[in-house]
Amino acid sequence: NAGVTQTPKFRILKIGQSMTLQCTQDMNHNYMYWYRQDPGMGLKLIYYSVGAGITDKGEVPNGYNVSRSTTEDFPLRLELAAPSQTSVYFCASSYSGGLGGNQPQHFGDGTRLSIL
Amino acid sequence: GESVGLHLPTLSVQEGDNSIINCAYSNSASDYFIWYKQGSGKGPQFIIDIRSNMDKRQGQRVTVLLNKTVKHLSLQIAATQPGDSAVYFCAEWDGGSQGNLIFGKGTKLSVKP
Repeated sequence: NAGVTQTPKFRILKIGQSMTLQCTQDMNHNYMYWYRQDPGMGLKLIYYSVGAGITDKGEVPNGYNVSRSTTEDFPLRLELAAPSQTSVYFCASSYSGGLGGNQPQHFGDGTRLSIL
Repeated sequence: GESVGLHLPTLSVQEGDNSIINCAYSNSASDYFIWYKQGSGKGPQFIIDIRSNMDKRQGQRVTVLLNKTVKHLSLQIAATQPGDSAVYFCAEWDGGSQGNLIFGKGTKLSVKP
């Protein structure tokens, strides 16, 4: 199994440009997540999804959008890139997330995004 | 707000020694904790987890200890190897129904040969 796959690995954007970060998982996980990691910091949750067709905001959702049309894919969209969105973005998935069924999240290797 | 933090940002150990990485959490209602290892240029990799109804759990060369009285979590790595060099994060489940994790800032472990 490939696990969680993120593309692209690196990207440089100009201010105001838009792009979509791709994430796909082949573990048939219901739960998927997007995080950003700034230098020397832990991960902060942007958006998450508990299943196809369902998404919800995390801690830092402003400037981002997501969709979940299939179980496998969870793309993250930046509409108007800003320098503050320069970060490393990680996608993760888990089998479940609720009480009694907590499972660890499995992460992709990240997309390194620079906004200039 | 509730947060997860780490006592030490960096830790340097000699190869073969045991390593102990500490983590403090502030949400007494937290039910589930995970340790992740993040190598350079990689995503976090699951190491071990523990639920609040346990105080110790062992894996291969790793042990996690949970002290709910003082809200402290530690990761012990036995016979530390150069391949253990990485940043280690503890993560706390925030008690919500969606499995959202709150991550600490990380401790960088360096193993000297």
